[in-house]
Formats: sequence, C-alpha cells, structure tokens
Amino acid sequence: EPEVTQTPSHQVTQMGQEVILRCVPISNHLYFYWYRQILGQKVEFLVSFYNNEISEKSEIFDDQFSVERPDGSNFTLKIRSTKLEDSAMYFCASSALMGADGELFFGEGSRLTVL
Amino acid sequence: GENVEQHPSTLSVQEGDSAVIKCTYSDSASNYFPWYKQELGKRPQLIIDIRSNVGEKKDQRIAVTLNKTAKHFSLHITETQPEDSAVYFCAAPSMIKAAGNKLTFGGGTRVLVKP
Repeated sequence: EPEVTQTPSHQVTQMGQEVILRCVPISNHLYFYWYRQILGQKVEFLVSFYNNEISEKSEIFDDQFSVERPDGSNFTLKIRSTKLEDSAMYFCASSALMGADGELFFGEGSRLTVL
Repeated sequence: GENVEQHPSTLSVQEGDSAVIKCTYSDSASNYFPWYKQELGKRPQLIIDIRSNVGEKKDQRIAVTLNKTAKHFSLHITETQPEDSAVYFCAAPSMIKAAGNKLTFGGGTRVLVKP
C-alpha cells in the first residue's frame, strides 16, 4: 500500500539553526500539507500546497517557515531559525482529491527537538 | 475559519463497555468529517469518516453519527477492547478555494480501556 514517507524521524538542533524536514507524498497525489503536533496537544494545520504554490497557511506559518517542492517527488518544510517552541512532531500529509473525497494520508512524522 | 470542539478530553471505560466521543463544528459548509486514532508516538490513522449526505455510518464496532442541523458528530465504539486505548481526534475541513482540504482537528480524547 502506498504511503507518505518522512525523513528524518527525529532531529535535534540548537536554537537558531536551520532545519529541513523532508517528505515524499504518495505519487499520484496533488495536494500536500504540513501539520504539527506539540507533545500532548492536538494536530494543527500549518500549510497546504497545490500546483506548486501555497494555497493556505495558518498564523503559525510565519516568515521563518517555507515549503518547497524541488522536484517531482519531494516536499520539504524549512524552518530558518528554530526557536524552542518549534519543538514538535511535524506530519506531512497528501491527498489525491479535494472536498469530501480528499482523504488525507499522513506520514509517520518527524520529531523536532530544539535545545 | 472552522472551529472544532471535542469532548470529553479523557475517557476511561471497562473492557466490553461502549465509548462515545462528541464533536461540534462551526463551518456549515463542511461536508466531510473524519475520525483519527493516534497511538503513542505514531501518526494519526483514519478509522472512519462520514460525508454530509448521510446521518450515520457503521464499520464493525465503530460508528459515527452526524447532525448537520446542530453541527455535531459523534464517534461510538462498542464492545471496547484494550487495543482501542489511544487518543482519538475528530476533524472537519475548511474548503480552501479550489485547492484541497485544510483539516481542523478537535482537541483529542484520550481513551483508556481497562481490562
């Protein structure tokens, strides 16, 4: 069964450092997302991406965040200068369709720890 | 934007009993209501969903009901088993123009099934 894959599974970084989280969505999907989950809290939407551009972003997704689809398979989330409060599990997701048929498939997540 | 409230935040049941989790949403245009199960350290996994054109859907021991007028939907787990212990999240989409779904998640319900 096809699945969304994410790397790394866990990254530890110093505050102020840049981090890139990588995702390979399911190959025939057209819509891509990043969500994050702070430990013990709910899953929060960060950004959606379609047709090579951001379609929506949340207030969490400030100027320190960016997303890119550098080739036909990878979808990356970059945090330019990490803060302590960026420590969370980051989930990539993709869907084939929009609307009620657009089931989201989540990756296993990348745990980011900022020291 | 969409606002999703979920209750209760924790639920402890005896094995074999039923568990009910309730969610309310705010966006009357939402048309798809998924439920996710998240085990510790794992990704959210879709367990059941309901479209807005039906009032109830059942899959073995799991059922979901939807009341569009009142804007609430519920997850019912019957004959609970220890492996049902997890955090359950409801979600509702906000349509992003014509570019996919953004899911807003409820706060989660930690379910503990005691043997």
